[in-house]
Amino acid sequence: DAKTTQPTSMDCAEGRAANLPCNHSTISGNEYVYWYRQIHSQGPQYIIHGLKNNETNEMASLIITEDRKSSTLILPHATLRDTAVYYCIVRVDGTDSWGKFQFGAGTQVVVTP
Amino acid sequence: EPEVTQTPSHQVTQMGQEVILRCVPISNHLYFYWYRQILGQKVEFLVSFYNNEISEKSEIFDDQFSVERPDGSNFTLKIRSTKLEDSAMYFCASSAARVDIQYFGAGTRLSVL
Repeated sequence: DAKTTQPTSMDCAEGRAANLPCNHSTISGNEYVYWYRQIHSQGPQYIIHGLKNNETNEMASLIITEDRKSSTLILPHATLRDTAVYYCIVRVDGTDSWGKFQFGAGTQVVVTP
Repeated sequence: EPEVTQTPSHQVTQMGQEVILRCVPISNHLYFYWYRQILGQKVEFLVSFYNNEISEKSEIFDDQFSVERPDGSNFTLKIRSTKLEDSAMYFCASSAARVDIQYFGAGTRLSVL
């Protein structure tokens, strides 16, 4: 699976949009981009995923560049409860894969009042 | 909303003892996973399980580890003879399909003394 690069940390003001970048320049055609987050030491929580089109759900939006070499997770109105480590993971979603996720260090997001 | 449940939330054991960590995956899910996270480190994949067989395992998952689905609802991780370095958070996850969203439990904190 392709490697991802994320900033170590970022701060965000409560109520503002949080834009979390992720670089995955070696991504291949059958690899999806997944975003999970981990609040304190709880289990990772699924946020969103996509292949090449932009995606939106009730939690966030995912913007993937046309060349698929990078993506941005957008939390539209950050709240204090969004303080967490956010993981961008690239995973092959095909017949060769049994579905394991390989987590990196992620981005520590701190939302401040 | 259906969730993955793990018990106990915290397990303390003496080095050399056997421990069994228990998980109840989401009821219609067929694929099951264990991950672990040593304090301050990344979430690491241990094993995936489908159709009563291990489908993939990491280098960490050596002969000291085993998994089982003893009945239609539980999924267990057994560590035969615990070592100090097994101290970690252990997360169970499940998914409906092989390459699908994985839903994680809240984890079991294992402390080996």
